[in-house]
Amino acid sequence: DGGITQSPKYLFRKEGQNVTLSCEQNLNHDAMYWYRQDPGQGLRLIYYSQIVNDFQKGDIAEGYSVSREKKESFPLTVTSAQKNPTAFYLCASSNGRSEQYFGPGTRLTVT
Amino acid sequence: AQSVSQHNHHVILSEAASLELGCNYSYGGTVNLFWYVQYPGQHLQLLLKYFSGDPLVKGIKGFEAEFIKSKFSFNLRKPSVQWSDTAEYFCAVNAEEYGNKLVFGAGTILRVKS
Repeated sequence: DGGITQSPKYLFRKEGQNVTLSCEQNLNHDAMYWYRQDPGQGLRLIYYSQIVNDFQKGDIAEGYSVSREKKESFPLTVTSAQKNPTAFYLCASSNGRSEQYFGPGTRLTVT
Repeated sequence: AQSVSQHNHHVILSEAASLELGCNYSYGGTVNLFWYVQYPGQHLQLLLKYFSGDPLVKGIKGFEAEFIKSKFSFNLRKPSVQWSDTAEYFCAVNAEEYGNKLVFGAGTILRVKS
């Protein structure tokens, strides 16, 4: 059954630690995206990748890093430089300018 | 700044009431328009989309939206809401000049009272 998986669902980290969020898709989509969702702010784009081994910064890339070594996978690292990392993180994929398909999200809490 | 605006952050309706959620965008040129819905505890999922053609588009669960180019609007409507429509609704715009990127509105939380 095709879709996007994100793991884990909940993640807790201490301030100052880097943490990597997983995103895998089996939809054979070329493009993948990471968003951050905060109450009252909608979804804001962190990074996106339109093809393997290439990615671009979104609107709020500071304190985050990504890699795209395989078409199916687009992990996001939240670094200790991210000033306010506690949030709900959503991964999505698409082909071209068609609709994006979303994963279930990872809720990250940093204390 | 180019953006997507959703006019109401919280809407409370009784069952069977009619719904209209506003969405305006500020991009020129060719746009693709979307409404997504996030039910409590579930994935964000597509409700409906507009790429071209008939500006009145119908989506799942009785929802529809009308693209009015002159008003830069893509309002979401449903004639009679149900308790199960309680969710957060997001308008999103893909402008041709920005490639594949989607820009989302801030979202509208709809609560339907039974």
